[in-house]
Amino acid sequence: AQSVTQPDIHITVSEGASLELRCNYSYGATPYLFWYVQSPGQGLQLLLKYFSGDTLVQGIKGFEAEFKRSQSSFNLRKPSVHWSDAAEYFCAVGGYNTDKLIFGTGTRLQVFP
Amino acid sequence: EPEVTQTPSHQVTQMGQEVILRCVPISNHLYFYWYRQILGQKVEFLVSFYNNEISEKSEIFDDQFSVERPDGSNFTLKIRSTKLEDSAMYFCASSEARSGHTDTQYFGPGTRLTVL
Repeated sequence: AQSVTQPDIHITVSEGASLELRCNYSYGATPYLFWYVQSPGQGLQLLLKYFSGDTLVQGIKGFEAEFKRSQSSFNLRKPSVHWSDAAEYFCAVGGYNTDKLIFGTGTRLQVFP
Repeated sequence: EPEVTQTPSHQVTQMGQEVILRCVPISNHLYFYWYRQILGQKVEFLVSFYNNEISEKSEIFDDQFSVERPDGSNFTLKIRSTKLEDSAMYFCASSEARSGHTDTQYFGPGTRLTVL
């Protein structure tokens, strides 16, 4: 079955620390991978996406993600977290001949000063 | 930067009533979507819409649901007879084009539907 797993429900980091949010997917065909962020009261904002090519992709707000086919993972990273990064982060997967995004359950990031 | 907008931000209704949730997609986008998120659960795909017809729908999108593009700017989701389990956040999204795979979708802020 097609699915996305985000193993960490809640992560707390100090401002300035590095961050890695995990995402594993199960998808029978070529995956198209996305990370979205949701701040309170806001919609889902696209951070970055991977369709093909270089497996390390850069996004907005200093985020990057690495696609590892062998591990079925698409982890999100940031070298130095800012207090404004506190939000909920969603990983999602799509594919060929489908409009549907399949989402993970999300990871809530809390940032301490 | 263009955004997807949704109204209302919060809708409260009685069980059995009809509700219409409204969305204004990004103006040059051609594909439109509805997703929902029940509290504490994953964001789930409901339906996609292109060229005035449903492109794809999930098993959740049964006969109680319908979508429409009544004019050149709005995209609506109608729930004919609401149930308690329809209480959720409903997200509208749009994308520029269909490129043979799941396209980059831009989401609105959501409408929180509460069914009493």
